Amino acid sequence: EIVMTQSPATLSVSPGERATLSCRASQSVSSNLAWYQQKPGQAPRLLIYGASTRATGIPARFSGSGSGTEFTLTISSLQSEDFAVYYCQQYNNWPPLTFGGGTEVEIK
Amino acid sequence: EVQLVESGGGLVKPGGSLRLSCAASGFTFSSYSMNWVRQAPGKGLEWVSSISGTSTYIYSADSVKGRFTISRDNAKNSLYLQMNSLRAEDTAVYYCARVNGRSWLDYWGQGTLVTVSS
Repeated sequence: EIVMTQSPATLSVSPGERATLSCRASQSVSSNLAWYQQKPGQAPRLLIYGASTRATGIPARFSGSGSGTEFTLTISSLQSEDFAVYYCQQYNNWPPLTFGGGTEVEIK
Repeated sequence: EVQLVESGGGLVKPGGSLRLSCAASGFTFSSYSMNWVRQAPGKGLEWVSSISGTSTYIYSADSVKGRFTISRDNAKNSLYLQMNSLRAEDTAVYYCARVNGRSWLDYWGQGTLVTVSS
C-alpha cells in the first residue's frame, strides 16, 4: 500500500498571501496524483488531477506540481473561500486508493 | 449537471446491517466506475470500495472485505453499498464518488452518515 503523507498538518496564512502545501508518497506514483478541497460540512471537491491539471471551474490561483514522490499544491493568493482542508490522493498503484491525512489552511 | 445523492444512512447496532444507495443523474452512469469513500468524524478520507461500469471489476479495502459489498444497477442509475457485521469503527459519513480517468474522483455526493452504536 502506498502511504501518502501531507505537511504541514495546519497552515496559518493571511488572506492575499501564498500557501504551499506538500504531499509525499512512500513510493513513486508518477504523476498520478489528485488534490481535493473540503470545507466543513461539505463533500470534497476535485481541484487538481494528473499532479498539475486543474479540474473544470477551478480558479487559476490553484496550481499543482511535482512527480514521483514529492508534490506541491500552491494557492497563489488566498481568498476567504479557500480556507479549508486539502487532501492529496494517489491513483498510480491501487487498490487501495490512498489519501493523505490532510492539511488545514486556516486564517492567520 | 452531474448529481450524486446518497441515502440509507442511520443509527445501527454493532453487528447490524445497512444498505446505502447513491442515485446518479446528469451523465451516462454505465460508462463510469464508481467508488465509496468514507470519513470518520473529525478524520480524513478513507477509500472503501470501487466498481467498474459493467461490474466486471470490484475492489474493496481490507478493512471492509468480507463485510461490505458494492454493487450497481445501471438500469436504475444507482450504486449500492451493503454493509454487514457493522462495527463502531465503521461510523463515518459515506460518500459516493464518480471515477474519471485513471481513478481520480471528479464528482462526489453530499454524503450519508452511518453511526454504529449500542
